Amino acid sequence: KAGVTQTPRYLIKTRGQQVTLSCSPISGHRSVSWYQQTPGQGLQFLFEYFSETQRNKGNFPGRFSGRQFSNSRSEMNVSTLELGDSALYLCASSPPNREEQYFGPGTRLTVT
Amino acid sequence: AQTVTQSQPEMSVQEAETVTLSCTYDTSESDYYLFWYKQPPSRQMILVIRQEAYKQQNATENRFSVNFQKAAKSFSLKISDSQLGDAAMYFCAYAWEGGSEKLVFGKGTKLTVNP
Repeated sequence: KAGVTQTPRYLIKTRGQQVTLSCSPISGHRSVSWYQQTPGQGLQFLFEYFSETQRNKGNFPGRFSGRQFSNSRSEMNVSTLELGDSALYLCASSPPNREEQYFGPGTRLTVT
Repeated sequence: AQTVTQSQPEMSVQEAETVTLSCTYDTSESDYYLFWYKQPPSRQMILVIRQEAYKQQNATENRFSVNFQKAAKSFSLKISDSQLGDAAMYFCAYAWEGGSEKLVFGKGTKLTVNP
């Protein structure tokens, strides 16, 4: 079974721009979560989607948004990029009725 | 709010020896899940082991085992017969079915394996 995939793997954007990251979960997984990883703050939960609905949201500003499609694929959008948004963005999916998560390789976003 | 604390920012072990990584957590819930994840330099997070809080038996996965002390809210990871490929960041994580965050992570422990 293929793992979680994320595209693109690397991205360089300029402050003020917006960016969209994509995540395809493991087949059969309907829950998709997003995390931001930085050296200073560690791993922080952004949001979780299940059956196209946002189920949980972390403590991030409204510039961070997401959505999930009927095939469980998810996208994350960050508008008006700031230098502090530079991070590794990890997507993870969960099997039905299970709490463990399986992670993708991440998207490394650099904001200049 | 639930918190996870890893008090050892860095640890080192000799190849073939045993090392234990510490993790404590804070929660008022009785049913929850605990995990150890490994993140090698490739940055891919890999699930190492999971523990359900209602199970008294400690989880094991090959060379990896945990010491789960529910009353003490402690969840340590023991790696036996350490291998060079075990070198990575190790994250302890907590999950609760009714939680607002899917997974709450500790800050991580960087494990170095010396040949």
